[in-house]
This record gives sequence, structure tokens and C-alpha cells, in this order.
Amino acid sequence: GENVEQHPSTLSVQEGDSAVIKCTYSDSASNYFPWYKQELGKRPQLIIDIRSNVGEKKDQRIAVTLNKTAKHFSLHITETQPEDSAVYFCAAGPPGRRALTFGSGTRLQVQP
Amino acid sequence: GAVVSQHPSRVICKSGTSVKIECRSLDFQATTMFWYRQFPKQSLMLMATSNEGSKATYEQGVEKDKFLINHASLTLSTLTVTSAHPEDSSFYICSAREGRENSPLHFGNGTRLTVT
Repeated sequence: GENVEQHPSTLSVQEGDSAVIKCTYSDSASNYFPWYKQELGKRPQLIIDIRSNVGEKKDQRIAVTLNKTAKHFSLHITETQPEDSAVYFCAAGPPGRRALTFGSGTRLQVQP
Repeated sequence: GAVVSQHPSRVICKSGTSVKIECRSLDFQATTMFWYRQFPKQSLMLMATSNEGSKATYEQGVEKDKFLINHASLTLSTLTVTSAHPEDSSFYICSAREGRENSPLHFGNGTRLTVT
């Protein structure tokens, strides 16, 4: 089955700096790669996703890149703000309607 | 956008009792729903895939007789934790995808189960 690894486990940045979180996956058949933000005690919220026919996608301060050859994808947050502080999970999904496999999560702390 | 509703949000029960958690897709039909479990400061681990009108598919290591899943309609899946033990205390989250392939996965609010 799919195995997703995520790094780093914790990340502390100063407000205004950029943050980068990286994930690798094992199943070359996976073609859907979402990123979720989870605040304490709450459900994961989808923040951005990318499909395997696209190499990069951007939404305001958030961008995701995908390298299918190397089987890795990354989340980039620019101009970080304190409200960006949360746990971020990457995930990989196989074709069809099967479940996603999640990375181990990155706790991002943005220092004001 | 798609909404998944989960109840209850929090439940405390005694050891040996059973707890039922409901997951509903409010504005779309979900032939498949997924149940995840999350321990504190850990990732989301898939427990089982709930299929409307058929048996659920359980992940390795998840006891199907302990975690009963019923998906009786296109908008409702239930997870029953039977004979709960303190080690079952966790955050249980259901999720569902809209009909099209590779559509986003939407999560319910989760249920924090505490077994005393």
C-alpha cells in the first residue's frame, strides 16, 4: 500500500518568513495530493490540492509543487502569519474513490 | 461546498459499554465513507472504508467485531465502538468524497471518545 513520509515534524518561523513542508510517497499510481491544516481539537481542513497532471499550483500565499518522477511534493507558505500556526498534513490518494494516506504531520509555529 | 456532519462531538462512556457515532453527508451522496482515528499529536490512521449497501473494508489490525460499521444509505454511515476500553479513547473522524474521481475528501468535525 501507499506510504507517505513528511518532514519536518516541527517547524518554527518568524512572522513574514516562508515555510516549506516536504512529503514523499511510495505508490507511483497515486495521482491526488491534498494538504490539510488542522487546528487543535478540530477537523482537518483542505487548504490546497494538486493532481498528477499538474506540477505546481498556487493560491494566494500557499503553493504546492509536485515531482512525480521523484515522488515528492511540497507545501510552500509565504509571508507567514501567526494564524498559520497549526498542524499540516500531506496526503496521497490512488485513482478512484479510495482512501487517502496521510503523512505524519508538521507542527508549524509562526512567531509574531 | 460539501459538508459532512458527525455526531456526537464528544462522548464519555464507561468501560464495557458501546458507543455509536454517526456520519452524514449533508449535500451530496457518498457511496463510500472513510473512518479515521487520530491519537493525540499523531496522524490520521485509516480504520475502515464504509461502502453503501455492502460490508465495510477494514484496515489491517482493526477488529471488525469491535468497530462495527453500517452504511445503510447514501448519506449515513455509523461506527459503533463495542465493549469500549480505555485504550479506545481517541479522536474518531469520518470523511467522504463527492461522487467524482479524485474529488476532495471532506471531514466531519470528529468525535472525541473518552472511555473511563
